Amino acid sequence: QQQVKQSPQSLIVQKGGISIINCAYENTAFDYFPWYQQFPGKGPALLIAIRPDVSEKKEGRFTISFNKSAKQFSLHIMDSQPGDSATYFCAARSVAAGNKLTFGGGTRVLVKP
Amino acid sequence: GAGVSQSPSNKVTEKGKDVELRCDPISGHTALYWYRQSLGQGLEFLIYFQGNSAPDKSGLPSDRFSAERTGGSVSTLTIQRTQQEDSAVYLCASSLVERVGEQFFGPGTRLTVL
Repeated sequence: QQQVKQSPQSLIVQKGGISIINCAYENTAFDYFPWYQQFPGKGPALLIAIRPDVSEKKEGRFTISFNKSAKQFSLHIMDSQPGDSATYFCAARSVAAGNKLTFGGGTRVLVKP
Repeated sequence: GAGVSQSPSNKVTEKGKDVELRCDPISGHTALYWYRQSLGQGLEFLIYFQGNSAPDKSGLPSDRFSAERTGGSVSTLTIQRTQQEDSAVYLCASSLVERVGEQFFGPGTRLTVL
């Protein structure tokens, strides 16, 4: 059972454009939603995270938008750069389900120069 | 300081052999996790350690998989009688227990079962 659904699977954007990745979840017990960035051959690295009592969080060019009623959250990468080309994973954590992260399937982002 | 390290970085083995994968977490991180990432796929949770105990083993796919952690630090994931479907990248992560959502990942071990 895929508890966190991520889309699209892949994304191509021009340099300077906006990359948008969406995630949806079913479990209302999720209480923490991080995004991870993974470069080829490397482990994922925490990029930005949000809690459900906040509707938006911005860190530099990266913004998370959170819609609790719709059970959806998204990552926006503004002014996308070639160095942002990576695979991005959304995730969710529920304390009640134990201390583990449930990951989305990932989005491969390619930023063209 | 040093991040999470894993060894070996690559492991090629024959079907039926046993393998051991090692994880050295960040010093002071009492929480440790193992995940599996198949080619082009997301991360699949395997097991979680709090100190040396494993309160959540729910992700281990079969009894051929086991893990242990000693001294609240190094962890070893063992796969017995490996199968071709075990081929994947095995990732280890660690975190402070009070910040379990902020997990720091190692580079992974790429396991190939021939």
